Amino acid sequence: DSGVTQTPKHLITATGQRVTLRCSPRSGDLSVYWYQQSLDQGLQFLIQYYNGEERAKGNILERFSAQQFPDLHSELNLSSLELGDSALYFCASSALAGGGSAKNIQYFGAGTRLSVL
Amino acid sequence: GDSVTQMEGPVTLSEEACLTINCTYTATGYPSLFWYVQYPGEGLQLLLKATKADDKGSNKGFEATYRKETTSFHLEKGSVQVSDSAVYFCALSPSGNTPLVFGKGTRLSVIA
Repeated sequence: DSGVTQTPKHLITATGQRVTLRCSPRSGDLSVYWYQQSLDQGLQFLIQYYNGEERAKGNILERFSAQQFPDLHSELNLSSLELGDSALYFCASSALAGGGSAKNIQYFGAGTRLSVL
Repeated sequence: GDSVTQMEGPVTLSEEACLTINCTYTATGYPSLFWYVQYPGEGLQLLLKATKADDKGSNKGFEATYRKETTSFHLEKGSVQVSDSAVYFCALSPSGNTPLVFGKGTRLSVIA
């Protein structure tokens, strides 16, 4: 168990809808990262928050947004969903602000599988 | 930009066979290198890491050596077990202050 909790495990919804994915980081970790894993694109970094502030942005669509709350949990909001948004969404956390050095290991949750029908 | 290329899968091996999963990278500077493993239904777990040239990371019988001259970080294991069946991801951290860059993953199936 990595200590990172993601809910829900599975989400099935229709095109055009909006969903929210939730992530609770490991106790004490201040950084949260969101990744999208799809068959064609592999594992892609979306966005990183550190202690409530956006730290880095990757290949995140404008229809997607995220935030990190004072208790350090994070939510990823996906709107106007399309079939191509179907994927496994991972959250990871680390102690420090840095992205993924050997001294700032990222710990991953089990993911939320989103199916857009 | 920075990138990681790893061998396409799936790879199917018999128990006790030798494993090599190739990984090469493109990066400026001196990245840290990682192998993550994803077991069925689970998130990614760090398997091993190396932070500088000629470093060897090792864990659970797996090894990988940071080769700067060939920009490679191949994963090896001398004798695989059925429990090693998983997807393996090679990744790099360009500078320690940017998010990880992952390869596309290699699925390994080990049969008894």
